[in-house]
Amino acid sequence: EVQLLESGGGLVQPGGSLRLSCAASGFTFSSYAMSWVRQAPGKGLEWVSDISAGGGSTYYADSVKGRFTVSRDNSKNTLYLQMNSLRAEDTAVYYCAKEITIFGVTTPLNDYWGQGTLVTVSS
Amino acid sequence: QSVLTQPPSVSGAPGQRVTISCTGSSSNIGAGYDVHWYQQLPGTAPKLLIYGNSNRPSGVPDRFSGSKSGTSASLAITGLQAEDEADYYCQSYDSSLSDSVFGGGTQLTVL
Repeated sequence: EVQLLESGGGLVQPGGSLRLSCAASGFTFSSYAMSWVRQAPGKGLEWVSDISAGGGSTYYADSVKGRFTVSRDNSKNTLYLQMNSLRAEDTAVYYCAKEITIFGVTTPLNDYWGQGTLVTVSS
Repeated sequence: QSVLTQPPSVSGAPGQRVTISCTGSSSNIGAGYDVHWYQQLPGTAPKLLIYGNSNRPSGVPDRFSGSKSGTSASLAITGLQAEDEADYYCQSYDSSLSDSVFGGGTQLTVL
């Protein structure tokens, strides 16, 4: 059974830093790209970042580029999101999600999601 | 403002059919990028509902179907049930942004 368990959320002051973790199990973690998607309170989903299976390629939304860094440790089956220079608008539930590509489907999709971890940026 | 536009809300009575639209542009859906749909029940994480415009993952009832035409995609739900009350999101890729993009979400109310 695929499981994704996020941790590391909490209350942080504007300008502060936080590192989120996502522990994966139930699949060969090192074979799959992974995503971070966030959801501000009462709002919709926003893609944040992707990382390739080996970790060599990373991608970011413009809203977090230069402030957030995605990484992974395939030996520990864990995905990370280092968040620096946090702003009030970064307040959201952060989900990690497994990403797959399917032959004949032009867009990668997220087939499994964690339960999310809440990040609150406030003074 | 989301790159993919969805109606904020739709509603229907039990047993009825509802559709949710997802309108994009020539840099995403119109460029040939496929659309996926996710269902988010209250207080839970999103769940993959439809992938590649019209394919259902194992376990998703055939009451749910998807289609794509031109710069838009649609999710249809037939035989509406109370348990279908949730938020629904479309997702695709935008070549101008070089990003994955989500629609703003549609809240489905079962009357």
